Amino acid sequence: GAGVSQTPSNKVTEKGKYVELRCDPISGHTALYWYRQSLGQGPEFLIYFQGTGAADDSGLPNDRFFAVRPEGSVSTLKIQRTERGDSAVYLCASSLEGRGSYNEQFFGPGTRLTVL
Amino acid sequence: QQPVQSPQAVILREGEDAVINCSSSKALYSVHWYRQKHGEAPVFLMILLKGGEQKGHEKISASFNEKKQQSSLYLTASQLSYSGTYFCGTASVNRDDKIIFGKGTRLHILP
Repeated sequence: GAGVSQTPSNKVTEKGKYVELRCDPISGHTALYWYRQSLGQGPEFLIYFQGTGAADDSGLPNDRFFAVRPEGSVSTLKIQRTERGDSAVYLCASSLEGRGSYNEQFFGPGTRLTVL
Repeated sequence: QQPVQSPQAVILREGEDAVINCSSSKALYSVHWYRQKHGEAPVFLMILLKGGEQKGHEKISASFNEKKQQSSLYLTASQLSYSGTYFCGTASVNRDDKIIFGKGTRLHILP
């Protein structure tokens, strides 16, 4: 079956602009995670959804970052007033059910965001 | 609290063995291992759980010392395909659903 997909694969924007990054998880996976990965670093946790609700958003760096998952499937990560420091690869992962401490996560290919 | 991985990088010849370590300052519920090749998504290798349960690929070997909050990944008779960056991720003893990943260990296998 299809894996986790993310669009766009690359996004170049200017400082101060608004961007949306999309994640389409594996069908039937109820848990969805967003991570940010900078060069030479591990994935940095941003937010975790169980179904439609954000179960843990403690990793969002500030209020410019927001994510939604209105129907419990596709999720969108929204970044307002982008800054150069937001440049990174944004990874999405899904797992069959919650309890990320217990279950394998399947990662998407990521969206490379570049803020000029 | 981000787990600490060691070494930061390893270069091996094909067929040699390697051990990658992961340690945390917090009491852990589980340790997760992923491998990421350049430009690709991380791929699941193994989960080690408090109490001794393990889930993952049969060819991968790892240990979890709950008391020391440490885990080690054992790569034996390495193959060229083992090259990549290995990340450990940890979940706290409170069974938070989020995983905190380390900075990674870069492994390069020479023919």
